[in-house]
Amino acid sequence: GIQVEQSPPDLILQEGANSTLRCNFSDSVNNLQWFHQNPWGQLINLFYIPSGTKQNGRLSATTVATERYSLLYISSSQTTDSGVYFCAVERGNNRLAFGKGNQVVVIP
Amino acid sequence: NAGVTQTPKFRVLKTGQSMTLLCAQDMNHEYMYWYRQDPGMGLRLIHYSVGEGTTAKGEVPDGYNVSRLKKQNFLLGLESAAPSQTSVYFCASSYSKGQWGSNQPQHFGDGTRLSIL
Repeated sequence: GIQVEQSPPDLILQEGANSTLRCNFSDSVNNLQWFHQNPWGQLINLFYIPSGTKQNGRLSATTVATERYSLLYISSSQTTDSGVYFCAVERGNNRLAFGKGNQVVVIP
Repeated sequence: NAGVTQTPKFRVLKTGQSMTLLCAQDMNHEYMYWYRQDPGMGLRLIHYSVGEGTTAKGEVPDGYNVSRLKKQNFLLGLESAAPSQTSVYFCASSYSKGQWGSNQPQHFGDGTRLSIL
């Protein structure tokens, strides 16, 4: 099946710093989503981005489908950005295959 | 608009007991999914449904059964709970290509934390 790899697995940031999270996938996809899992365990949709670039406030994402990767940018990080970021790609019938996540800790 | 609602939020079972997790969505989504999340791992698909009355196996279906008798509800059953099924369970739903003309994002419930002793 399709493989989804996220890097780095763990990241510690000083508040105000910028960071980039990467998602590589092993096959062509029709759907790619980025999620943020907050400390309470809730999964929050960040981006639905099978290709191109999108921005939402301090977050932006870019997917280069032909090269099979996606990037999530966090600018001017805040402590509320802490949590786990998941990349997930479609495997048919809109089923998602998840990566293992990027654990992000933002310290004040 | 409630979105995707999971009940219960927490449950502790003894080995061998049975239980059913309920997922309800109010967005008229055709597709519904059950995932489990274990420590240090991403979500893994247990079962899914592409419409009322249909179900299919995902990556890790063993030990679980599902039913989709109504479009808005997707039930996950554990017939004889085992400690290996201790996990956080997430339900999700989405429009189908037929409903929207293209793939659409999945929307997730808040999860059910299940412990089996």
